[in-house]
Amino acid sequence: AQKITQTQPGMFVQEKEAVTLDCTYDTSDQSYGLFWYKQPSSGEMIFLIYQGSYDEQNATEGRYSLNFQKARKSANLVISASQLGDSAMYFCAMREGMIKAAGNKLTFGGGTRVLVKP
Amino acid sequence: DSGVTQTPKHLITATGQRVTLRCSPRSGDLSVYWYQQSLDQGLQFLIQYYNGEERAKGNILERFSAQQFPDLHSELNLSSLELGDSALYFCASSVFPGQGRGTGELFFGEGSRLTVL
Repeated sequence: AQKITQTQPGMFVQEKEAVTLDCTYDTSDQSYGLFWYKQPSSGEMIFLIYQGSYDEQNATEGRYSLNFQKARKSANLVISASQLGDSAMYFCAMREGMIKAAGNKLTFGGGTRVLVKP
Repeated sequence: DSGVTQTPKHLITATGQRVTLRCSPRSGDLSVYWYQQSLDQGLQFLIQYYNGEERAKGNILERFSAQQFPDLHSELNLSSLELGDSALYFCASSVFPGQGRGTGELFFGEGSRLTVL
């Protein structure tokens, strides 16, 4: 089974509107972390936001917020007041288990392409 | 700028050839990860090194190998290249701030785009 599922391959959003990107995950670990990364057309991977499995509040970073529903195993990214520069691929990723001294690999979903229309 | 440096940025080669991709992690980061991103797909984990030792392995082909050197830079060697190896290869690094602390975030380089003709 896929560990990270992003069901929306692509979506359009009007400038200044909000958009929600879906992400569901599958893990048997009690401790884990969820990440969202942005990949613009230039190719680099930009970290946006993080949610730990024990965090009681939803994470927020500027215009980005993470709607974390633990029982449903979902970690949706909400981008408010979309800007043209938000047009990019967005990836949900997961760290399974406690943070190790040597670090942990992340498992990525297939991504959602967002195009912001003026 | 993440602080992770990858070279070359672009590489075009022919089937059957061998190439080496290089990565310098952020200053102080001991872990290096390699990922492969084929066209319009997610990132596939290949391999992780920590302070010179292999720590985790993903779906890395036998034709591919990697190592991390004493100065912590890493190289990914791809041999007997096939058309399907064309992809964006990312290197990432991470720092360990303490047991249970931090997020485990990976810092990515800009990637090396490999085209096999």
